[in-house]
Amino acid sequence: GQQVMQIPQYQHVQEGEDFTTYCNSSTTLSNIQWYKQRPGGHPVFLIQLVKSGEVKKQKRLTFQFGEAKKNSSLHITATQTTDVGTYFCAGRASNTGKLIFGQGTTLQVKP
Amino acid sequence: DSGVTQTPKHLITATGQRVTLRCSPRSGDLSVYWYQQSLDQGLQFLIQYYNGEERAKGNILERFSAQQFPDLHSELNLSSLELGDSALYFCASSVGDGGLYEQYFGPGTRLTVT
Repeated sequence: GQQVMQIPQYQHVQEGEDFTTYCNSSTTLSNIQWYKQRPGGHPVFLIQLVKSGEVKKQKRLTFQFGEAKKNSSLHITATQTTDVGTYFCAGRASNTGKLIFGQGTTLQVKP
Repeated sequence: DSGVTQTPKHLITATGQRVTLRCSPRSGDLSVYWYQQSLDQGLQFLIQYYNGEERAKGNILERFSAQQFPDLHSELNLSSLELGDSALYFCASSVGDGGLYEQYFGPGTRLTVT
């Protein structure tokens, strides 16, 4: 079945450093969504990418959807302690239409 | 506040018991999803309902069942509980069926099986 893999599983950075998490699918995706879960909280929708090669920015966060629509990335510039949490990607398979969540990347930021 | 409510917030029960978790979706949302999140684990999709009908099944055990009622609230029933069922159970809702719609997650129910 369709799988959505995220790497790395964990990342520890110093405040001010950049951070990137990658999401890879075994099949072509119709769209991809990103969610953030703060420690002790629930996942919160961040953004959705639909077009091949699409790039979207939210302040220090940059989201990309690959040209082949099989991978995506989230890049955070100059991390802050407020960026701490687990970032999940979720891809929708073109054939089933169902959303599959990746395992998440947990980001720790040292002040 | 996502608009999705879940009750109870915490639940402590013994092995072999049965519990029911309840979820009320955001106003206007027709889809309800259930997820299980164990310690340091990702979101394991369990099941989805859309307007009262089961639409998708994930890694849901036979001991677990769910339903969505005419008023669109949903219940997840967990029976013959085992220690390994201890986890955070999230409910999410979306306006439509399928992965094009963003999901709004509730605060979760933390289940502890002793």
